[in-house]
Amino acid sequence: QVQLQESGPGLVKPSQTLSLTCSVSGGSISSGTYSWNWIRQSAGQGLEWLGRIYATGNTNYNSSLKSRVSISVDASKNQFSLKLTSVTAADTAVYYCAREEFTYGHSFDYWGPGTLVTVSS
Amino acid sequence: DIQMTQSPSSLSASVGDRVTIACRASHNISSSLKSYLNWYQQKPGKAPKVLISGASTLQSGVPSRFSGNGYNTDFNLTIGSLQPEDAATYYCQQSYSIPRTFGQGSEVKIK
Repeated sequence: QVQLQESGPGLVKPSQTLSLTCSVSGGSISSGTYSWNWIRQSAGQGLEWLGRIYATGNTNYNSSLKSRVSISVDASKNQFSLKLTSVTAADTAVYYCAREEFTYGHSFDYWGPGTLVTVSS
Repeated sequence: DIQMTQSPSSLSASVGDRVTIACRASHNISSSLKSYLNWYQQKPGKAPKVLISGASTLQSGVPSRFSGNGYNTDFNLTIGSLQPEDAATYYCQQSYSIPRTFGQGSEVKIK
């Protein structure tokens, strides 16, 4: 059973960089046809897709974040990471990592439990 | 970007009722008889859980009272006989293009 777990600071100061890591267990991040994604959800708001990475290192990002976002992968550790620069209070949210499968409808079939990141001085 | 619009935003229904949530995409998200539309259920404090992928394929372990249909831009999620544990927020999501986008959510409450 694949499991994902987010980790990183729960509090980030404005203008600094938010950094989170997603650890994958129960399967190799390099096997199969999957992408590895970051999605966030602000309090009482909907879901916003931030970007994805393949085990090859290829990435796609949401252009709404205006190049503040980058995602990297460390296959040797079975992890992938998110960096979001120049954060403001608007970046306060629960951040999820999720796997996207390409067999059926390209759905996010496994999610981490989420981690709350608050941007505040 | 493809905008996803759900209706209603909230509904209240009784146990045993048939409930339908609609989702409309701003562009066609179907091709070659395949639709790139997924449905998720989210309960408070939990991550979303995929119920249906490809517009109509029920995920393993999901009760058969959940069903989905639709093509091109208009899709529906139906709960055939509402149960107390179905109280949650439901989201549609398109996987046709980047960026992936979600509907704003439909909250289902039990009367």
